[in-house]
Amino acid sequence: AQTVTQSQPEMSVQEAETVTLSCTYDTSESDYYLFWYKQPPSRQMILVIRQEAYKQQNATENRFSVNFQKAAKSFSLKISDSQLGDAAMYFCAYSKNDMRFGAGTRLTVKP
Amino acid sequence: NAGVTQTPKFQVLKTGQSMTLQCAQDMNHNSMYWYRQDPGMGLRLIYYSASEGTTDKGEVPNGYNVSRLNKREFSLRLESAAPSQTSVYFCASRGSYNEQFFGPGTRLTVL
Repeated sequence: AQTVTQSQPEMSVQEAETVTLSCTYDTSESDYYLFWYKQPPSRQMILVIRQEAYKQQNATENRFSVNFQKAAKSFSLKISDSQLGDAAMYFCAYSKNDMRFGAGTRLTVKP
Repeated sequence: NAGVTQTPKFQVLKTGQSMTLQCAQDMNHNSMYWYRQDPGMGLRLIYYSASEGTTDKGEVPNGYNVSRLNKREFSLRLESAAPSQTSVYFCASRGSYNEQFFGPGTRLTVL
């Protein structure tokens, strides 16, 4: 079974600084998708970024970028120029047919 | 375009009572999902429906039933609620790149 591990239960970053959230996963598949979702206190799950496993190029979305290491089964999220609104729970997810989530990392942004 | 909608937003049940959580999407997606979110555990898949007329068990199906009423609607039923089913429930539908779009969630408390 596919598993997703987020080893950092909590992270903290100073406003305007950069932070990296870690994620590893386990799979025997070669073709799959990886995602980062943000969950603010409102509870709404918001898609941050998506990576297709067959693409070597790392995905970027404005201040958000990933470091995808397929052989190492690692998928980290980098947030640049952190803003107060980035404070939330962040979930890493793996998807082939369904979707499996990590336990989440709570990010605090200090002003 | 409302995306994914869920009703109700909050519910309190007594042990042994039954209820149905409703979910609808207006994005013409084939696949729909039900998750539960417990503290420190991320989201876990209860049931999913790959297409109208089909349903399959996820990681934690015990105590739940589902109905894919049509392409838009996917309901989750608790026949005899137990305190262990106290959780936040999310419905989602899957887009073209395996990304999932989530409803706002239902907070269920079973006393």
